[in-house]
Amino acid sequence: GENVEQHPSTLSVQEGDSAVIKCTYSDSASNYFPWYKQELGKRPQLIIDIRSNVGEKKDQRIAVTLNKTAKHFSLHITETQPEDSAVYFCAAPYSGAGSYQLTFGKGTKLSVIP
Amino acid sequence: DAGVTQSPTHLIKTRGQQVTLRCSPKSGHDTVSWYQQALGQGPQFIFQYYEEEERQRGNFPDRFSGHQFPNYSSELNVNALLLGDSALYLCASSLTGTDTQYFGPGTRLTVL
Repeated sequence: GENVEQHPSTLSVQEGDSAVIKCTYSDSASNYFPWYKQELGKRPQLIIDIRSNVGEKKDQRIAVTLNKTAKHFSLHITETQPEDSAVYFCAAPYSGAGSYQLTFGKGTKLSVIP
Repeated sequence: DAGVTQSPTHLIKTRGQQVTLRCSPKSGHDTVSWYQQALGQGPQFIFQYYEEEERQRGNFPDRFSGHQFPNYSSELNVNALLLGDSALYLCASSLTGTDTQYFGPGTRLTVL
């Protein structure tokens, strides 16, 4: 199976600063790495994902980097805003028989201080 | 384009009872995965259904069972409820052979 470690567990930043969340995974066969944002009482929402054929992917203020050799990937949020405050989860799949079972990290609670 | 829906929103049961949770996948999706999210934790994979059969299963006891219907909707059943089963139960839908999963709003189960 897959093992995913996520750090830090909590992160506080001033509005406008950058935030970085890091994850490591164990299964070298994993090739898809999504990030989900979960606001209090709401569903996990897919915000960005990366596949193993690219090293970095950007979407406005959000970027994800992947290092397959080291088996780690990171979420970068620039120019943070109060609405970025939420719990962020990384995940990696165990794939078999054409299906994808996601293993999640324990989450990072991001607080953006106005 | 309808997203993933789940019912009920909240549920309160007592130990030993049985519960059924329901999920309708996003339009065009044929695969449903169920996850358990305990307070302060990441979602944990329970099982996945495709073509009305359980395709993969996580580390959960047989008290957890499921079903998928011909219209791709799915049910999660939990028997002999324990206090530790209290959690947010999430379903996620996807298209078989693809990796992207979209989550429903979840069902908050409280076992007293």
